[in-house]
Amino acid sequence: GAGVSQSPSNKVTEKGKDVELRCDPISGHTALYWYRQSLGQGLEFLIYFQGNSAPDKSGLPSDRFSAERTGGSVSTLTIQRTQQEDSAVYLCASSLWRRYEQYFGPGTRLTVT
Amino acid sequence: QQPVQSPQAVILREGEDAVINCSSSKALYSVHWYRQKHGEAPVFLMILLKGGEQKGHEKISASFNEKKQQSSLYLTASQLSYSGTYFCGTEYGSNDYKLSFGAGTTVTVRA
Repeated sequence: GAGVSQSPSNKVTEKGKDVELRCDPISGHTALYWYRQSLGQGLEFLIYFQGNSAPDKSGLPSDRFSAERTGGSVSTLTIQRTQQEDSAVYLCASSLWRRYEQYFGPGTRLTVT
Repeated sequence: QQPVQSPQAVILREGEDAVINCSSSKALYSVHWYRQKHGEAPVFLMILLKGGEQKGHEKISASFNEKKQQSSLYLTASQLSYSGTYFCGTEYGSNDYKLSFGAGTTVTVRA
């Protein structure tokens, strides 16, 4: 079956511009997570959605970052006024239910110039 | 709060064993292990819930010591396919649901 998909795969943007990253989770998965991975680093939790519950936004690094999940499916991560330190690979993962195994997408590599 | 993984890197010959540790300064509810090969997305290996259970996946197993607030991943009779970076992700409460990942341990298995 189809796995988690993310788009775009690569994004180069100028400092100060806004970007939107998209995640299509596995159909039927109720939990969706966003992570950030800087070069050679571990995974940094950003935000977690579970069904129709309020998202856990505790990992968002600043108010320039926001995310939404429409209809319990597709999610969009928006970064406003991008900075060079935002450059990283942004990974999305979904799971059938919270605390189940997470299936990761291929990621979006964001480069801010 | 990020768990601490050790060692940072290990090089093995095929057939050798290795242990990767994941330690926390806070009480743990669960530990999740993932492996990421270069240029690929992380792939799930196993979840351990508090209670000191041990699990296995192929010849990869793990233990969770609640008292010591740590988990260990055991690579037994390593194969070339075991090469990659191993991450532990930790949950700190039963209502946590989000994972704090360690910095990773890079494993290189050579023929």
